[in-house]
Amino acid sequence: DQQVKQNSPSLSVQEGRISILNCDYTNSMFDYFLWYKKYPAEGPTFLISISSIKDKNEDGRFTVFLNKSAKHLSLHIVPSQPGDSAVYFCAASARRSGGGADGLTFGKGTHLIIQP
Amino acid sequence: DSGVTQTPKHLITATGQRVTLRCSPRSGDLSVYWYQQSLDQGLQFLIQYYNGEERAKGNILERFSAQQFPDLHSELNLSSLELGDSALYFCASSVAAGSGYTFGSGTRLTVV
Repeated sequence: DQQVKQNSPSLSVQEGRISILNCDYTNSMFDYFLWYKKYPAEGPTFLISISSIKDKNEDGRFTVFLNKSAKHLSLHIVPSQPGDSAVYFCAASARRSGGGADGLTFGKGTHLIIQP
Repeated sequence: DSGVTQTPKHLITATGQRVTLRCSPRSGDLSVYWYQQSLDQGLQFLIQYYNGEERAKGNILERFSAQQFPDLHSELNLSSLELGDSALYFCASSVAAGSGYTFGSGTRLTVV
């Protein structure tokens, strides 16, 4: 049972436009969400995160929105640039009551292609 | 360079063999996480260590084990290897659990 789902395996967006990547989760214990970017032959790179007490977090061209009632989050990239072409992973974690957190639960990723 | 070092980068071995993957976390990070990425499964959490102690277990097979040493480096041991164990194995570290993890560049394991 996939607890974090990225339903679009790939997404093609024109350079300069907005890229919107979506992610749904099922586990209501998740309280911290992250987006990672991955190029081939490299490890995932942390992009941006959001705590469940917020509904929006912005960092430069990247904004993450969280809709807890819908168990949905999205990553907006504006404007999209050629270097943004990569696989984007949504991830979630649940904090333990004694502190710390379990490992991240990842979605299967969305391959974003920015077209010139 | 992310600061998380994984060795070796590539490993080819035969079925039934045992291998050890090594990870040095970023300086100052106490938590180490191991992940497996296979073609059809995405990134799967295997196990977490915090300051030398096992903290959480994910989808780790009994044939696999890990440990974190006093100098905080970690090793993932894979034994009785099967063809299906072929995958990318990533190590990640964080200073505090739940913060943005930093991943290494991975070890590509091919079992033939």
